[in-house]
Amino acid sequence: GAVVSQHPSWVICKSGTSVKIECRSLDFQATTMFWYRQFPKQSLMLMATSNEGSKATYEQGVEKDKFLINHASLTLSTLTVTSAHPEDSSFYICSARRTSGVQETQYFGPGTRLLVL
Amino acid sequence: GQQLNQSPQSMFIQEGEDVSMNCTSSSIFNTWLWYKQEPGEGPVLLIALYKAGELTSNGRLTAQFGITRKDSFLNISASIPSDVGIYFCAGAPGTYKYIFGTGTRLKVLA
Repeated sequence: GAVVSQHPSWVICKSGTSVKIECRSLDFQATTMFWYRQFPKQSLMLMATSNEGSKATYEQGVEKDKFLINHASLTLSTLTVTSAHPEDSSFYICSARRTSGVQETQYFGPGTRLLVL
Repeated sequence: GQQLNQSPQSMFIQEGEDVSMNCTSSSIFNTWLWYKQEPGEGPVLLIALYKAGELTSNGRLTAQFGITRKDSFLNISASIPSDVGIYFCAGAPGTYKYIFGTGTRLKVLA
C-alpha cells in the first residue's frame, strides 16, 4: 500500500515560535496533498489543499498567513504554524492524493501532535 | 466544513458479533472511502469504492457504494478486540476533495 510519512510525530513549543511539519509520500508522487486538523473525539477538518508548484488553497476560516504551506516537490509538502499560540495545539494530519487512471484515493500520514505552551 | 452524517456515533459489541455502520449525504458522491483510526495515529485506508452499487471486501470488512450514490455502508463480520477504533467514511462529490463523516467509535467487549 501507499505510504505517507510525517515529521515530527510530536512537538512541544513555546508560544510565539514557529513550527514546521513535513509530509512525504514515500512510494508515489503526489501533486496534491492535504492538511487536516483534528480535535479530540472529532472528525478531520480540512485546512488546506497543497498543490505542487502552486499556491495552496485554504478552507474558509483558515488563516493562510498563520498556516504556511509549501509543496516544493512531488513528494513533499510542509505546513508551518507561525507564531504558534496555545489554541493552535492540535493533531495535524496530512494526506496525499494518489491516482490510478480515473480512480483516486487519499493516504494519510501518522499525524503530528502539536502542543504550544 | 461540511460533514457527512455517519451512524451510529458509537457502539459497544460483543466479540464475534457483526457490525454495521453507514454514511449518508444530501449530495451525490463519485467516490467513497472508509478509514480506521486508532488513538494518536492517522487514518488507515480500509476500502475504496468507485461505482454505484459496488460491493468490495477486505478480509472481514465489506463496504458498499449505495445505488443512489448518496450513501455507503461498512460491515465488519465476527468482530475481534483489535477492531476497536474510530471508523470514518469519506466521500468525494467531484475530484479529490473529500468530505469526512463524523466517525463511528467502535468498542468490542471480549
